[in-house]
Amino acid sequence: GQNIDQPTEMTATEGAIVQINCTYQTSGFNGLFWYQQHAGEAPTFLSYNVLDGLEEKGRFSSFLSRSKGYSYLLLKELQMKDSASYLCAVRDLNQAGTALIFGKGTTLSVSS
Amino acid sequence: EAQVTQNPRYLITVTGKKLTVTCSQNMNHEYMSWYRQDPGLGLRQIYYSMNVEVTDKGDVPEGYKVSRKEKRNFPLILESPSPNQTSLYFCASSTPGQGLRPFEQYFGPGTRLTVT
Repeated sequence: GQNIDQPTEMTATEGAIVQINCTYQTSGFNGLFWYQQHAGEAPTFLSYNVLDGLEEKGRFSSFLSRSKGYSYLLLKELQMKDSASYLCAVRDLNQAGTALIFGKGTTLSVSS
Repeated sequence: EAQVTQNPRYLITVTGKKLTVTCSQNMNHEYMSWYRQDPGLGLRQIYYSMNVEVTDKGDVPEGYKVSRKEKRNFPLILESPSPNQTSLYFCASSTPGQGLRPFEQYFGPGTRLTVT
């Protein structure tokens, strides 16, 4: 089966750096995705990792270690607008029909 | 503009009154799916479709039906809605993610359904 774990909630202050961790167990791993979701809105794509290492995209970076089943999303220079839920999702080719398997999300609250 | 659209965006209905939530995409994607999102449970897949006339159950299909008569449309049907189907629903369409082309999933704006 599959299992994706991430913390339920995190808090941070403006200008700080926060790291959101995600661990997963899948049999047919084919990529890990991070999405941002503001309350009541659709998830929006942030990053994609299929090979080990760090992918940097502006203030956001995502890291993957396939051997450890581990990823993290790093958010730098936090802004109030970064307050949102962050969803870790894995693509599992052995799971028929399931495009992405989502974790339950991490709600990040950024305060001034 | 590449997009996935859903209608209605908000719906309040009563138990047992059949309803349909429409979903349409303009990206010529073969793969489409429906999710529901509930507090503490995350996004869970209801049904998916690999192509026209090809549909199958996801993780939580009970109480739902879908159809895929055209590539662009993938409606979600609740034949007899019940209060436990009150949720936020998302339609999504995806590229196949084969070869050098990465997998990409696009979400619709969501439909907030309340069943009383």
